[in-house]
Amino acid sequence: SQQGEEDPQALSIQEGENATMNCSYKTSINNLQWYRQNSGRGLVHLILIRSNEREKHSGRLRVTLDTSKKSSSLLITASRAADTASYFCATDGKGAQKLVFGQGTRLTINP
Amino acid sequence: DTEVTQTPKHLVMGMTNKKSLKCEQHMGHRAMYWYKQKAKKPPELMFVYSYEKLSINESVPSRFSPECPNSSLLNLHLHALQPEDSALYLCASSQVAAGTGSGKLFFGSGTQLSVL
Repeated sequence: SQQGEEDPQALSIQEGENATMNCSYKTSINNLQWYRQNSGRGLVHLILIRSNEREKHSGRLRVTLDTSKKSSSLLITASRAADTASYFCATDGKGAQKLVFGQGTRLTINP
Repeated sequence: DTEVTQTPKHLVMGMTNKKSLKCEQHMGHRAMYWYKQKAKKPPELMFVYSYEKLSINESVPSRFSPECPNSSLLNLHLHALQPEDSALYLCASSQVAAGTGSGKLFFGSGTQLSVL
């Protein structure tokens, strides 16, 4: 299966701290994407990193990709209560014609 | 307009009912998707339409019937559902279909479906 595995499954930190989530996948990819989902709502795209890129930044987000280890990480710096959500990685596999989501990390930011 | 609009937001139906979920986007995207999501689980792909043609059916039971009347609209017709079909149904769109090195998906807010 191409599906990504994420860890941790749940993460609870204090506001202002940094949060790191990891994603591993199994097959070759075109790109890897991260999405956020607030409870019971649709997913919102955060960042896309292509297979030939190693690191990407967007505001307080930093994503790394290691294709040799088939893994990615999402770092959220200076977390805020509004960052409380589930975070999913998703892989766009070569020839797969579909985006497949990892199991997700539930992030809770405590005020 | 960067929105994907889904209606209804909530739906309760009996196992003998027929209902439809609707999805609309006006971003000129040529790929549209239906995902099913159970609580605390990731979205699971059901169907992909690319250029208004069904390109992927993830072995979804025939009680779910997708339809793409035009490039902006996507429907999911429901008939004789089971209680285990209760879930959040998400519609999404992208410029071109995934697997081509395409970009991001835009998701609607979903329809929370309860089958009694």
